[in-house]
Order: sequence, then C-alpha cells, then structure tokens
Amino acid sequence: SQQGEEDPQALSIQEGENATMNCSYKTSINNLQWYRQNSGRGLVHLILIRSNEREKHSGRLRVTLDTSKKSSSLLITASRAADTASYFCATDMIKAAGNKLTFGGGTRVLVKP
Amino acid sequence: GAGVSQSPSNKVTEKGKDVELRCDPISGHTALYWYRQSLGQGLEFLIYFQGNSAPDKSGLPSDRFSAERTGGSVSTLTIQRTQQEDSAVYLCASSRGTGAKTQYFGPGTRLLVL
Repeated sequence: SQQGEEDPQALSIQEGENATMNCSYKTSINNLQWYRQNSGRGLVHLILIRSNEREKHSGRLRVTLDTSKKSSSLLITASRAADTASYFCATDMIKAAGNKLTFGGGTRVLVKP
Repeated sequence: GAGVSQSPSNKVTEKGKDVELRCDPISGHTALYWYRQSLGQGLEFLIYFQGNSAPDKSGLPSDRFSAERTGGSVSTLTIQRTQQEDSAVYLCASSRGTGAKTQYFGPGTRLLVL
C-alpha cells in the first residue's frame, strides 16, 4: 500500500487560478517532496520540505507541511496551461534506508486556457 | 550535463519472454533506484543501489525480477517469464548519494506484455 494519499485525484481550473492539492502520509518522515509528471513519463522534482520545516516557497509554488497531521499541501499560484500535469508527493521515511521514496497516488491537474 | 537515460523507450513483448531494461544514471551519482508505475498500483519502489553496498531489493514483486548495476554506473532490470501484470512504465532515478534527497528521474520504459 502507498504511504501517501493525495486529494483531489483530479483538478480542473482556469488559467490564472490557483491550484491546491493535498497529501497525507502514515509514518514518520525525514522529508517530503513534490514531483510533477507530464504524459506519464519521467518525474521532475519540484520542491523538498524537511520534517522540521513548515512552509517553503519556490517561484509560484508553495508547500506546507504539518507533521502533527502527517499532511502536506502544494499550492500553484497563477496557474498556466503548461502546469497541466500529474503531481505526486513522495516521502522518505525515517526507518527506510537509502532515501527510497514512497509516492502518493497523484493529482491530475488540468489548466484550461 | 546529461540527465538519466533509459532504453528502450517502449517495449512490447509476448507473455513468457524475458526482457531487459537499461538505465544510465547521471555521471557521478552513486545512488540508483528503480520504480514501477502501473494503473492499479501507482508508483512503487522496486530496488535501490548505493555504491558497492548490497542492493535493497525489498520492493521487487517476485523472483522473476532482478537487477544489477555494473561498475557502479549502468543498471539493467531484468524481468523473466513476463506476465501481463508486468505491463507498466519502469522508471529509473539517480541521486548523488544517500545524503542527497533529490532523485532525478529518467523518461521511463513503457513495457507492454501481450
């Protein structure tokens, strides 16, 4: 079973709107990452947030982490058609050796022009 | 510099045949990971290599799956006696080492078992 669960599973918004997606996980983590995937191919790393951080920004991306609730959110502001993709959270669990990642189910985002 | 490359991009095979998938990690990256992405199971960890250490095979779904990494660089994932449920995208990733958290992914190999 997957460590992370994401919601919503799919999101459709207009260009310029903000997109928010959430990720929940089950066990204690070292850090949490968000990746983007276009067309079911390779994943692109977006942002990493450590377990002792609460919020992090990168360009139009804002990530929050609440370790007490074992949840994270990814906000994409002022969305663009090019942001259309699937977004995955991935956790690096404390007891797991070698930083192997456990992925959530992903959120499919469609940004309509 | 060049990213992670994988070959072939697509592979169609018949049930029962063996397949080999190749991954070329980013030069200098000591850690290499294989993941599988399928409709029913999402993204799953398969196997992890770090330097000369014994690989972490805990994610391999059956003994039909094996992987090796020669010379600490190129890796091949072998699936013997393929089954239809092996159909998936196989993704390889590399990172600078266990201290480096960011993994860089290749484009994947899309495997279809008929």
